[in-house]
Amino acid sequence: SQQGEEDPQALSIQEGENATMNCSYKTSINNLQWYRQNSGRGLVHLILIRSNEREKHSGRLRVTLDTSKKSSSLLITASRAADTASYFCATAANYGGATNKLIFGTGTLLAVQP
Amino acid sequence: DVKVTQSSRYLVKRTGEKVFLECVQDMDHENMFWYRQDPGLGLRLIYFSYDVKMKEKGDIPEGYSVSREKKERFSLILESASTNQTSMYLCASSFRQGRHQPQHFGDGTRLSIL
Repeated sequence: SQQGEEDPQALSIQEGENATMNCSYKTSINNLQWYRQNSGRGLVHLILIRSNEREKHSGRLRVTLDTSKKSSSLLITASRAADTASYFCATAANYGGATNKLIFGTGTLLAVQP
Repeated sequence: DVKVTQSSRYLVKRTGEKVFLECVQDMDHENMFWYRQDPGLGLRLIYFSYDVKMKEKGDIPEGYSVSREKKERFSLILESASTNQTSMYLCASSFRQGRHQPQHFGDGTRLSIL
């Protein structure tokens, strides 16, 4: 079952612009995580935001979480060509003893044009 | 640095064959996961393990089994490969302690069943 849905499915911007991706989910969560996947490679963890946090920063990344709307956004500022990748949100909830089980969305494909 | 290694990047097998996909992590993680990734469907969890010899079904376990004889190694087995199992397979691992743990991924195995 899919928990996270990203929006938009694809995004194309120019280098230097900001990129914003959104994620919506359905049930209550412990945390929400964002991952990046370069073409043909595995996923790389970017940032984790807990359910009691509203905003978190890491370098050029800014993540917000609105638990009342069950949504999150990932902002990449001053984008670079190297940011071209697919971005996935993943939610973590309690599943009995396996509290680290994640459910992934379908991803946003970001293309940054040089 | 964290490392999850999948034994093959690309694999081609025939229908009906028994297929083994191997994953090794060097971080002493308790949890290990197998996902498959298909276009438009995101990542779907096949099986996971939270300890040696322990396993739990994910969302799509049919046609698969797993083995975890040692903490660092988690194997995915396709009992009798079928063409609808052609996919990208991703292995991941994480610490079990605490509710807020990221997962660390290997680079994936792109499996084609002919």
